[in-house]
Amino acid sequence: DTGVSQNPRHKITKRGQNVTFRCDPISEHNRLYWYRQTLGQGPEFLTYFQNEAQLEKSRLLSDRFSAERPKGSFSTLEIQRTEQGDSAMYLCASSLSLGTGGLQPQHFGDGTRLSIL
Amino acid sequence: KNQVEQSPQSLIILEGKNCTLQCNYTVSPFSNLRWYKQDTGRGPVSLTIMTFSENTKSNGRYTATLDADTKQSSLHITASQLSDSASYICVVRSGGYNKLIFGAGTRLAVHP
Repeated sequence: DTGVSQNPRHKITKRGQNVTFRCDPISEHNRLYWYRQTLGQGPEFLTYFQNEAQLEKSRLLSDRFSAERPKGSFSTLEIQRTEQGDSAMYLCASSLSLGTGGLQPQHFGDGTRLSIL
Repeated sequence: KNQVEQSPQSLIILEGKNCTLQCNYTVSPFSNLRWYKQDTGRGPVSLTIMTFSENTKSNGRYTATLDADTKQSSLHITASQLSDSASYICVVRSGGYNKLIFGAGTRLAVHP
């Protein structure tokens, strides 16, 4: 299966600790997105990369959050000094830009579920 | 404020029955509308993508409609199966960078 892969699937940590998630997109996809999803809600956009460039960040992405995509392939999302409110599912998605007016679907991974104790 | 609202929040139907899920949006500018299926504990999977000029698009037993004038969309599921039990999320793309605005989803349970 060459879909979007996210690791770890689950992360439990104490408040105040730092956590890092990894996303491996579909290999030929040049766009990569991070979303946060809480129970009973749809995903909320966090940030977006085209190749290695981070082109957009949501207001939801506080100073404690940082995302990288150093070589335009995999990406990491780090949360520093975690808080209770950070508990959520963190989803990664990728897509291919073909200049077709945004009609390419985003392919999602199965997410990393973060629980803050 | 850009919003996507879905109804009902949850729905229970018997296997083999049809159902229709609703989506209303107030998003500008509008680029396209998507329906995703999300199984519990999994990431969303794309079902359909529709531009403003498309009224209907089908994917197997799933048929999506779009009325760009009233800013409404629906997803019709025919001859439901147990595996259709999932959340169905309406998503509107607005503007550049493939920015997607998600609804909260309709949780569908199909019972035998």
